[in-house]
Amino acid sequence: EIVLTQSPATLSLSPGERATLSCRASQSVSSYLAWYQQKAGQAPRLLIYDASNRATGIPARFSGSGSGTDFTLTISSLEPEDFAVYYCQQRGNWPRTFGQGTKLEIK
Amino acid sequence: EVQLVESGGGLVQPGGSLRLSCAASGFTFNSYSMHWVRQAPGKGLEWVSFISSSSNTIYYADSVKGRFTISRDNAKNSLYLQMNSLRDEDTAVYYCARTFGGGYFDLWGRGTLVTVSS
Repeated sequence: EIVLTQSPATLSLSPGERATLSCRASQSVSSYLAWYQQKAGQAPRLLIYDASNRATGIPARFSGSGSGTDFTLTISSLEPEDFAVYYCQQRGNWPRTFGQGTKLEIK
Repeated sequence: EVQLVESGGGLVQPGGSLRLSCAASGFTFNSYSMHWVRQAPGKGLEWVSFISSSSNTIYYADSVKGRFTISRDNAKNSLYLQMNSLRDEDTAVYYCARTFGGGYFDLWGRGTLVTVSS
């Protein structure tokens, strides 16, 4: 099973700042990595797939990068609605696995 | 409207059974493989099971293998999860999700809460 480790666990920033979230895989997943956003009481929403492709309707301030074992989600300038929990997920192998999440909170 | 709606959750005693359903609408259900994903209270996401569009291929997480059974009825645009021998650690919100891009999840239901407790 591929283990995904996200860091930091919590990130405290202010609106307008840049957010950088990390996801590290225990073995290579090539570019088969996605990022999701989850707000309290809601289902997750797909943001980025195949490491760097934005899903339909996702604003350009969200970008993804990386390959192999190290991946990054960047939010260029935080909007109030971006404060949420973010998960990475790999589709390189079965079982599909998620990271433990990074909580992005308002400073 | 494109949507997934789960139902069937509730309170069940340890060792009991429950059957979850997921009703799909607004898209061609029989063209998509589907998944169940769960989230324990206050915890992260855990993939549970996968079924291909024609039910030919099925996978389970080790944590549920031998206890849970995924199935679908394409004529009814519905996905199911039969859960037997339930344990306390199965307590979670269960989401059904549509496959996108070979293994991601692009459409999610709102989830149904399963509570296993005596």
